[in-house]
Amino acid sequence: QVHLVESGGGVVQPGRSLRLSCEGSGFPFRSYGMHWVRQAPGKGLEWVAVIRNDGSQKYYADSVKGRFTISRDNSKNTVYLEMNSLRAEDTAVYFCARDFVVVTVTMDKESWFDSWGQGTLVVVSS
Amino acid sequence: EIVLTQSPGTLSLSPGERATLSCRASQTVKTNYLAWYQQKPGQAPRLLIYGASSRATGIPDRFSGSGSGTDFTLTISRLEPEDFAVYYCQQFIDSPPTYTFGQGTKLEIK
Repeated sequence: QVHLVESGGGVVQPGRSLRLSCEGSGFPFRSYGMHWVRQAPGKGLEWVAVIRNDGSQKYYADSVKGRFTISRDNSKNTVYLEMNSLRAEDTAVYFCARDFVVVTVTMDKESWFDSWGQGTLVVVSS
Repeated sequence: EIVLTQSPGTLSLSPGERATLSCRASQTVKTNYLAWYQQKPGQAPRLLIYGASSRATGIPDRFSGSGSGTDFTLTISRLEPEDFAVYYCQQFIDSPPTYTFGQGTKLEIK
């Protein structure tokens, strides 16, 4: 059974940094891309970043580009999100999610979030 | 950037009734790159439908997705008590990878 557990959240002052971790188990971690998705209190979902299974490619939402870095250590079955220059608007529950790739009959590749962790709360406040 | 607009914002129905949730995209969604997720309070989202109409593993067949282009629908044929939750649609652009969610529809018990 797929299990994802996030950690590292907490209260941090604006402008400071924080690193989140997400450990996966129950599946071949090194075979899957991984995402971070966040949800501000009482709000909807916002995709943050994705990293390919081998770490070779990384993509970010415009709202975090240049401030956040996604990385992974397949020997530890863990994906990370390094968050720098934090702002009040970064306050959210941060979920990690597994990348579910579907190859269609036309050989297009669809990408979805098929398993999620329970999330870790990050509060940016002075 | 494609914007997804979900309607209604809140839907009040009774168990046993049929629910129809809408998701409209500001531009054509390529090759039905659209998914639906269910989220209950305090829980992570759960993938229900991907590719506009394919049910994810373990999802009951009372959930179905349809649509193409800019208009997509999630239908729950007969509501069960556990179906009352918030539902999000989500689209995917493949180059470069970008993922966008709608604002959500809250399905509440009438």
